[in-house]
Amino acid sequence: GDSVTQMEGPVTLSEEAFLTINCTYTATGYPSLFWYVQYPGEGLQLLLKATKADDKGSNKGFEATYRKETTSFHLEKGSVQVSDSAVYFCALRGQAGTALIFGKGTTLSVSS
Amino acid sequence: DGGITQSPKYLFRKEGQNVTLSCEQNLNHDAMYWYRQDPGQGLRLIYYSQIVNDFQKGDIAEGYSVSREKKESFPLTVTSAQKNPTAFYLCASSETGRGGRRTETQYFGPGTRLLVL
Repeated sequence: GDSVTQMEGPVTLSEEAFLTINCTYTATGYPSLFWYVQYPGEGLQLLLKATKADDKGSNKGFEATYRKETTSFHLEKGSVQVSDSAVYFCALRGQAGTALIFGKGTTLSVSS
Repeated sequence: DGGITQSPKYLFRKEGQNVTLSCEQNLNHDAMYWYRQDPGQGLRLIYYSQIVNDFQKGDIAEGYSVSREKKESFPLTVTSAQKNPTAFYLCASSETGRGGRRTETQYFGPGTRLLVL
């Protein structure tokens, strides 16, 4: 079945460092791919998405490119801030699916 | 403001008790979902509904029940059959995709944390 694998955390960075959180997926056909962010004690917020191969999603300085050849959707940000500290989830919706399939989440902690 | 509301924020369940978590949306979305979040495990689908008066089991439906009598509401009941109910419960909604690709975004509520006394 479809699945998502994220790098395990926690990821600890200093402010203004470069961020990469790896995400790979297994799915038939052409799934839609998403990154969600969860701040402590809150629900999930959509960060960005991509719906076809080579699409780049971007928002708030975060970017991720849908790579069909490597089945990846890695999240990047050039310069992180303390306010980016949160849990990040990679997710997919397969062509036949209705609900999202999530990775286990990666905790990011940014210090000043 | 459009959005999804969940109540209560914290809920305590006694042994053998059924409890109901509320989820309401005013986004005019057809589809609604319930997920369970456990530490280090991501989110797992409990139930989903694509239209009023219809719902489907997700990956971990045992010990839970739902109803969808109104478009705006999708309450989740955690029954006494659910032996390990302590978790963070998240409700979401989305438009139902038309055509072949399902690209619609799911929007999440703030969650309800269920604890067992």
